[in-house]
Amino acid sequence: ETGVTQTPRHLVMGMTNKKSLKCEQHLGHNAMYWYKQSAKKPLELMFVYNFKEQTENNSVPSRFSPECPNSSHLFLHLHTLQPEDSALYLCASSQGQRAGVPDTQYFGPGTRLTVL
Amino acid sequence: AQSVSQHNHHVILSEAASLELGCNYSYGGTVNLFWYVQYPGQHLQLLLKYFSGDPLVKGIKGFEAEFIKSKFSFNLRKPSVQWSDTAEYFCAVNPNSGYALNFGKGTSLLVTP
Repeated sequence: ETGVTQTPRHLVMGMTNKKSLKCEQHLGHNAMYWYKQSAKKPLELMFVYNFKEQTENNSVPSRFSPECPNSSHLFLHLHTLQPEDSALYLCASSQGQRAGVPDTQYFGPGTRLTVL
Repeated sequence: AQSVSQHNHHVILSEAASLELGCNYSYGGTVNLFWYVQYPGQHLQLLLKYFSGDPLVKGIKGFEAEFIKSKFSFNLRKPSVQWSDTAEYFCAVNPNSGYALNFGKGTSLLVTP
């Protein structure tokens, strides 16, 4: 299934590095999401873009910076991360949120990030 | 605090056994409910969802779930599991007023031959 792709699949970076995660969806959707999946914790929503507008920032530290240049692409820019930021970062997409209309999110394979 | 609870963190079953995984949530108002599955080495996949209507919903691979509004529950069931059902199962709740998909911690299912 190639509906939502993410690159790279694995990333190791030092605390002073700057890197970016990329997500692309091929489903014609209008909303995209970043989630963080840490061991022994539920998936945590980080950011939501709905029709290219950032509609939610779930109290994420500024060392994570999202970018959504169009409805098919989503980036997560990383800088001066901490070891506790090591996790699986998942991208998802959906048709797009409209008031009162249920929506279904489809997930990519994730980027396994290790911060040394 | 609003939350999604999955009571069984690890479940081990023999093939052909019946499965029921519990999911409870604490959100008031209208909610949309989902079960996702993550097979080893694969990404999260939608198993089934409930938006409205018949509270018994059927998903892929013989799974079904029942929404019981009075119990704030959305339990996942399968009458007879197979080895290939070994995976991690996540319950998720979307309050109808928001964007967030709130996940439980997941249940790891191991099916032995």
